[in-house]
Amino acid sequence: NAGVTQTPKFRILKIGQSMTLQCAQDMNHNYMYWYRQDPGMGLKLIYYSVGAGITDKGEVPNGYNVSRSTTEDFPLRLELAAPSQTSVYFCASTDASGRAKAGELFFGEGSRLTVL
Amino acid sequence: AQSVSQHNHHVILSEAASLELGCNYSYGGTVNLFWYVQYPGQHLQLLLKYFSGDPLVKGIKGFEAEFIKSKFSFNLRKPSVQWSDTAEYFCAVRSGGYNKLIFGAGTRLAVHP
Repeated sequence: NAGVTQTPKFRILKIGQSMTLQCAQDMNHNYMYWYRQDPGMGLKLIYYSVGAGITDKGEVPNGYNVSRSTTEDFPLRLELAAPSQTSVYFCASTDASGRAKAGELFFGEGSRLTVL
Repeated sequence: AQSVSQHNHHVILSEAASLELGCNYSYGGTVNLFWYVQYPGQHLQLLLKYFSGDPLVKGIKGFEAEFIKSKFSFNLRKPSVQWSDTAEYFCAVRSGGYNKLIFGAGTRLAVHP
């Protein structure tokens, strides 16, 4: 199993450009998440999804959009990139069933985005 | 809204020293608490978790954490650290449904040989 795969790993954008961060998982997890990590701020939840076709906002959704057309994929779109979106983005997934796995998120390796 | 505070942003230790990283959460009801670790160049992974029962939970690589409800704390400990424990450590609390986690700001631990 590859686990959670994110692409690209690094990207530099100009202000106003758009891009999509890709996330795919091969563990058949229902729940998927996008977090951003800023220095000294921990991880903040951007969006999450509980299944194909179902998404919802997290703590910091402004400037982002998501879709979930399949169980495996959960892309994050930045429409008009701003310097405030310079961050490291992490995708994660988890199995919704059972307490044994509850809260155990599986993370991708991260995508470092710089907006200049 | 729930929040998580980690008191130490940077910790530097020598090998074999004891480690305690502080974590406090804001919610007063039933909580599920976690410690995640991010080794250099790797993705975040679960170190240990608390749901209920014995307030002292043991995780991987000799780490343990103690849940103290009266202090709203979930501190991470290790009796003797190794150079390979150099990493960033995040405390987290489960917030609401759908396994959403709220993370603290993280603590960077550097262990010198």
